[in-house]
Amino acid sequence: GNSVTQMEGPVTLSEEAFLTINCTYTATGYPSLFWYVQYPGEGLQLLLKATKADDKGSNKGFEATYRKETTSFHLEKGSVQVSDSAVYFCALLNAGGTSYGKLTFGQGTILTVHP
Amino acid sequence: GAVVSQHPSRVICKSGTSVKIECRSLDFQATTMFWYRQFPKKSLMLMATSNEGSKATYEQGVEKDKFLINHASLTLSTLTVTSAHPEDSSFYICSARSYTRGEQFFGPGTRLTVL
Repeated sequence: GNSVTQMEGPVTLSEEAFLTINCTYTATGYPSLFWYVQYPGEGLQLLLKATKADDKGSNKGFEATYRKETTSFHLEKGSVQVSDSAVYFCALLNAGGTSYGKLTFGQGTILTVHP
Repeated sequence: GAVVSQHPSRVICKSGTSVKIECRSLDFQATTMFWYRQFPKKSLMLMATSNEGSKATYEQGVEKDKFLINHASLTLSTLTVTSAHPEDSSFYICSARSYTRGEQFFGPGTRLTVL
């Protein structure tokens, strides 16, 4: 079945540092890819998405490019802020089979940014 | 737009009682709603998919008689945890899929604690 693998956390950075959170996937068909962010005690918010190969999703300084050749969707930000501290989930939208229309999530990466 | 609410945000109950959690799409019609469970520092586990006016489809390993799901209208789905036990304590998150936009929007989650 489809699966999403994220880099192990937690990730701890100083403010203004560069962020990369790796995400790779296994899927049949052509799934859409997402990054969600979860702040403490809250639900998930969509951060960015990409629907086809070579698409770049971007929002709030975060970027991720859909790389079909490496089956990856790594999240990057050039300069993180304390307010970016949260849990980040990579996910894919199943494009076929019995899981059509369902999201498959990675395990989540905890990011902590210190002043 | 595309706001999903959950009620209650937090509930504490005694073992053996039943708890109902509501999920509402406030400004759009959701033909499909999803219920997830999230364990501490873990990813989201899809429990079931509910389509308005039909029976919910449960993921493997999820007890349908314990987790009753009703999707009576295009803006409301409910999850009832019957005869709750301490191991049912968790963070429950719903999402709603907009028919017109196709993407899922997440509620803020409900923290259930069973004593």
